[in-house]
Amino acid sequence: DTGVSQDPRHKITKRGQNVTFRCDPISEHNRLYWYRQTLGQGPEFLTYFQNEAQLEKSRLLSDRFSAERPKGSFSTLEIQRTEQGDSAMYLCASSLERSREAFFGQGTRLTVV
Amino acid sequence: GESVGLHLPTLSVQEGDNSIINCAYSNSASDYFIWYKQESGKGPQFIIDIRSNMDKRQGQRVTVLLNKTVKHLSLQIAATQPGDSAVYFCAESNNNNDMRFGAGTRLTVKP
Repeated sequence: DTGVSQDPRHKITKRGQNVTFRCDPISEHNRLYWYRQTLGQGPEFLTYFQNEAQLEKSRLLSDRFSAERPKGSFSTLEIQRTEQGDSAMYLCASSLERSREAFFGQGTRLTVV
Repeated sequence: GESVGLHLPTLSVQEGDNSIINCAYSNSASDYFIWYKQESGKGPQFIIDIRSNMDKRQGQRVTVLLNKTVKHLSLQIAATQPGDSAVYFCAESNNNNDMRFGAGTRLTVKP
């Protein structure tokens, strides 16, 4: 399968714990995006990378959130000191810069209890 | 602020009929628009896109129309099938930056 891969698919964590999600984009895609989606809403932009450079961060991305893409391939999204309001689906997408057609992974569903 | 939104949150159609899903946008600087389909528990799936220098683009059973005068985007699905039941999102982008999504329309196809 050469699509966007996200791991884990589901994560249940206790409030206050740290969690880390991984995204493996389509191999030749140099752009990688993170979105958050809550039930009944459209995806909300969090951040995006072009190669290893993080080019834009949403105001939604509080200090507890950090994303990295150290080698310009896979990316991680870490949430520190999780809160119940962090419960959502976290989606990753990738695209070629020149095409702008973004492909999404299946998402990681986070539940904070 | 500027946003992407949808006129109707739900749409129910009979199998075989055509479906039209609408989207309004307010950022006149947006130059690229995309329609995504999302089934329950899955990530959004790309359907079709259109650039602002076009007003119509056709795919397989789908057509996207862009009216820049009134900042309106629509997705037409021909001969709607049960497998088309999903939530449909429009998204906009400008200057090659990130995509911003609307709230979505739930399409239900009745057999």
